[in-house]
Amino acid sequence: DGGITQSPKYLFRKEGQNVTLSCEQNLNHDAMYWYRQDPGQGLRLIYYSQIVNDFQKGDIAEGYSVSREKKESFPLTVTSAQKNPTAFYLCASSIDMAGGFFFGPGTRLTVL
Amino acid sequence: AQSVAQPEDQVNVAEGNPLTVKCTYSVSGNPYLFWYVQYPNRGLQFLLKYITGDNLVKGSYGFEAEFNKSQTSFHLKKPSALVSDSALYFCAVSLRGSSNTGKLIFGQGTTLQVKP
Repeated sequence: DGGITQSPKYLFRKEGQNVTLSCEQNLNHDAMYWYRQDPGQGLRLIYYSQIVNDFQKGDIAEGYSVSREKKESFPLTVTSAQKNPTAFYLCASSIDMAGGFFFGPGTRLTVL
Repeated sequence: AQSVAQPEDQVNVAEGNPLTVKCTYSVSGNPYLFWYVQYPNRGLQFLLKYITGDNLVKGSYGFEAEFNKSQTSFHLKKPSALVSDSALYFCAVSLRGSSNTGKLIFGQGTTLQVKP
């Protein structure tokens, strides 16, 4: 997990609430990513950012928002528009595509 | 569409026996190929990657993977399994050059169960 931190480790949300998941990296990587993991479905890309102040939607961006104001930080907001947010969320960073990705320890979000 | 397939949801092997976790891919061009391992409630850990060169790639914890371009496969192997190898394994690909959209495409994962 080294170099990428995610907080909190566990998060509980009531229906209708927005919550923000934190992701910080000290690897000096330009690119950062958010993935959602559900049992039996592998990892699905929510948003990614290849440079500060720029980001793109991934495959399942609806109901989520991000910002990239600093190179080190890429927070993910799960909005009330996300109908089924209970999942394990993984943040990652990379220096280039050949180098592969480094992953944080994850945040488990549960909607009550 | 670009995709990665891991045809087995679970692989069971006895400790000390060789193991294989299968991965095939369908992407344009020549991708970079990766294997990651995930322990319960943890992030993914890098095992190995294929960029170019020798088709047999050696990685962490005694794992290796064989790239087969004609079969578009990148199977993960280990000569002698350990109980501690029990985990969830993901195959992933990323695209080179102008096809690079900044994404890492994952298979659905294979649970490896090594029994004593």
